[in-house]
Amino acid sequence: KQEVTQIPAALSVPEGENLVLNCSFTDSAIYNLQWFRQDPGKGLTSLLLIQSSQREQTSGRLNASLDKSSGRSTLYIAASQPGDSATYLCAVSPKDSNYQLIWGAGTKLIIKP
Amino acid sequence: NAGVTQTPKFRVLKTGQSMTLLCAQDMNHEYMYWYRQDPGMGLRLIHYSVGEGTTAKGEVPDGYNVSRLKKQNFLLGLESAAPSQTSVYFCASSFPRRTSGRATYNEQFFGPGTRLTVL
Repeated sequence: KQEVTQIPAALSVPEGENLVLNCSFTDSAIYNLQWFRQDPGKGLTSLLLIQSSQREQTSGRLNASLDKSSGRSTLYIAASQPGDSATYLCAVSPKDSNYQLIWGAGTKLIIKP
Repeated sequence: NAGVTQTPKFRVLKTGQSMTLLCAQDMNHEYMYWYRQDPGMGLRLIHYSVGEGTTAKGEVPDGYNVSRLKKQNFLLGLESAAPSQTSVYFCASSFPRRTSGRATYNEQFFGPGTRLTVL
């Protein structure tokens, strides 16, 4: 059974720092992996989607990497800003399902001004 | 476009009461989903629908029922609420998963959530 883990559960860093969020999964049979952002009282917003055949995806200050063989993905945030404060979730699309996403519990990120 | 909307945003129920959560999407998506999110856990799929008039059970369906009478709407019902159903409920919608070459696309779009408390 596919399991997705995100460590740490919470992270607090000063503004301007570069940081890395981690996501690990137990089964490498996936179509893709997605990173989402969740703001309090709001829904989830997709940030990046990495195909199983890709190593990384970039969007602005965000860079997501994928190492399928080791079951790991990282989300790198450069030059962090207070507006980056949110909960970041990762989810994998397993090959044994037509619809399902398997979710990590998220990392709550606080960027201190 | 409004995207995915959910009604209501907040609700407090007493044990045994019933209620219906409404999800609406205006993106002409075939697939719709209901998730619950609990502290320290990832989103868990309650029920989903792959088209108008069809529904199926997800990971945690017990205590919930759903209906998809119209393509744009997906209703989640609690017939007899229990404190264990205190949670944040998210609706999502998507097109069917599609593959282009070696790439697979199945992006889900989420509503803002409904915070439900059962006393």
